[in-house]
Amino acid sequence: EAGVTQSPTHLIKTRGQQATLRCSPISGHTSVYWYQQALGLGLQFLLWYDEGEERNRGNFPPRFSGRQFPNYSSELNVNALELEDSALYLCASNPDPGRGQPQHFGDGTRLSIL
Amino acid sequence: EDKVVQSPLSLVVHEGDTVTLNCSYEVTNFRSLLWYKQEKKAPTFLFMLTSSGIEKKSGRLSSILDKKELSSILNITATQTGDSAIYLCAVHSGGGADGLTFGKGTHLIIQP
Repeated sequence: EAGVTQSPTHLIKTRGQQATLRCSPISGHTSVYWYQQALGLGLQFLLWYDEGEERNRGNFPPRFSGRQFPNYSSELNVNALELEDSALYLCASNPDPGRGQPQHFGDGTRLSIL
Repeated sequence: EDKVVQSPLSLVVHEGDTVTLNCSYEVTNFRSLLWYKQEKKAPTFLFMLTSSGIEKKSGRLSSILDKKELSSILNITATQTGDSAIYLCAVHSGGGADGLTFGKGTHLIIQP
């Protein structure tokens, strides 16, 4: 069974640009979660999508947005990039949201802002 | 606001030693506590502890949840260099959020 896959592996942008990160969940998993792992801050919850809908978001500005497609894959968009957006962005999926099943993570996208 | 605190933040030990990593939490509507191991990229799932399953063991790793003290420990016995990683503690709370709240992690280094 394929795990959570993310693309691209690395992404280099400059301030003010826009970035799009992609995630494919484990087959059969309907929920996708996005996390930001910045140096010294640990993993911080960004967004949760389930069945195509945004269910919850963490304490991040609106320039962080995303969507989930009918095949349950997801995109994270970050507009007006700032230097502090440099981080590892991790996607996770879950087979049964709300029932406390463990989330399974992808390898992440390393976003670097110059 | 939910909060998860891990200690120590970093730890260096020798191969064969036993280590204990700590995690304490303050969350509303606690549902479960999870431990992950992160080596280079993807955190990999180790254990999930709930009110109905407060102790888990897998090989040299074991974990206990203390709901009274709002904390958990992760023990690793007979450590090996392959145990070197960042160990993450996360809590799943209710209220419809479903995102995990993570601690900053413990960076464990096992020296040969």
